[in-house]
Amino acid sequence: DGGITQSPKYLFRKEGQNVTLSCEQNLNHDAMYWYRQDPGQGLRLIYYSQIVNDFQKGDIAEGYSVSREKKESFPLTVTSAQKNPTAFYLCASRGQIYGYTFGSGTRLTVV
Amino acid sequence: DAKTTQPTSMDCAEGRAANLPCNHSTISGNEYVYWYRQIHSQGPQYIIHGLKNNETNEMASLIITEDRKSSTLILPHATLRDTAVYYCIVSLPPGTASKLTFGTGTRLQVTL
Repeated sequence: DGGITQSPKYLFRKEGQNVTLSCEQNLNHDAMYWYRQDPGQGLRLIYYSQIVNDFQKGDIAEGYSVSREKKESFPLTVTSAQKNPTAFYLCASRGQIYGYTFGSGTRLTVV
Repeated sequence: DAKTTQPTSMDCAEGRAANLPCNHSTISGNEYVYWYRQIHSQGPQYIIHGLKNNETNEMASLIITEDRKSSTLILPHATLRDTAVYYCIVSLPPGTASKLTFGTGTRLQVTL
């Protein structure tokens, strides 16, 4: 079945460490997105990519970095510069018919 | 993308219709209305979308006013499993790469 796979589901990071969240899709979608969600809040856009080797900052890009070397993959790195990284991270891709398809998310906790 | 306004929360009795309103007064002529829902700790799930005509699928119906400044998502027979946060989003047509802006949505609580 086609879909988006995010891994890991839960991730723990020590303060000062970088950590990379994986997002893979087999839907052949060109555009991919990363969102952050804090408890009781809506989704906020971190980065998005409309095509391979190109990406744009979203509303809260500071402290994050991305790459888009392959159409299927859009990893997100949470750097030590992100002051409050504990959150639920969602990856999405955009298709031709239904719009967005979301992954099941990665819950990152700083310990 | 145009902004949307939704009530913070709503309650609905199981078996009754749930009608979730959304205002999008600044919608552009080529922007669609999308509805997603998010069950706790999961990724949002697509429900339905439309441009100006009413739409229906196996999950819900979407009613868009003639001036397109507001819409209503209808879950005809709500069940406990429909308890979730429902997001109304206005965005460019399917297949168009653009940002999708999520607000805080409507928290629907379905009760016995």
